[in-house]
Amino acid sequence: DAEITQSPRHKITETGRQVTLACHQTWNHNNMFWYRQDLGHGLRLIHYSYGVHDTNKGEVSDGYSVSRSNTEDLPLTLESAASSQTSVYFCASSEMGGTEAFFGQGTRLTVV
Amino acid sequence: GESVGLHLPTLSVQEGDNSIINCAYSNSASDYFIWYKQESGKGPQFIIDIRSNMDKRQGQRVTVLLNKTVKHLSLQIAATQPGDSAVYFCAENINDYKLSFGAGTTVTVRA
Repeated sequence: DAEITQSPRHKITETGRQVTLACHQTWNHNNMFWYRQDLGHGLRLIHYSYGVHDTNKGEVSDGYSVSRSNTEDLPLTLESAASSQTSVYFCASSEMGGTEAFFGQGTRLTVV
Repeated sequence: GESVGLHLPTLSVQEGDNSIINCAYSNSASDYFIWYKQESGKGPQFIIDIRSNMDKRQGQRVTVLLNKTVKHLSLQIAATQPGDSAVYFCAENINDYKLSFGAGTTVTVRA
């Protein structure tokens, strides 16, 4: 069965370190998204991609970057982790022309 | 049980009763809406969707109502079960495949 997987599921890192969260989907979807989820804010869009080599900033993109070198993967990098980036991160994908997004299980990141 | 007004963060409902979760959306240009269910420790899961050219859509035990005049969306769950306990999010799409999510409503089912 097609799926979307995130790794790691949990991570603790120190302030100032670079961190990369992985997202891999086997749906062959063109659209991929990264969201963060914090209490009281729901899900907020960080970055998104509509295809290989395409990346776009979302509403909370400062301090994050993504790259899309193939259809399956959209890694999210925190250039210099800050305590404000402690959150649960969700990756999602959807078909080109489709709008229902399928979500991964999430990565809980703690920056100490 | 019913969440009244624009949005309530929590809803407690007796098992077997019907639940109504409300959501106000912000953009009159939004053309597609989705309800997601998120259980503890998991990612959001699709429940039901509706396009802006419809005002009602039914699924298995769930119904979504869309009122474009007041920019209001609701999710009705019939005969609520313990497995329905979760956080429910509405999301809107503004014709570019990105979804904008509400803050969510936590539904607790009382036995």
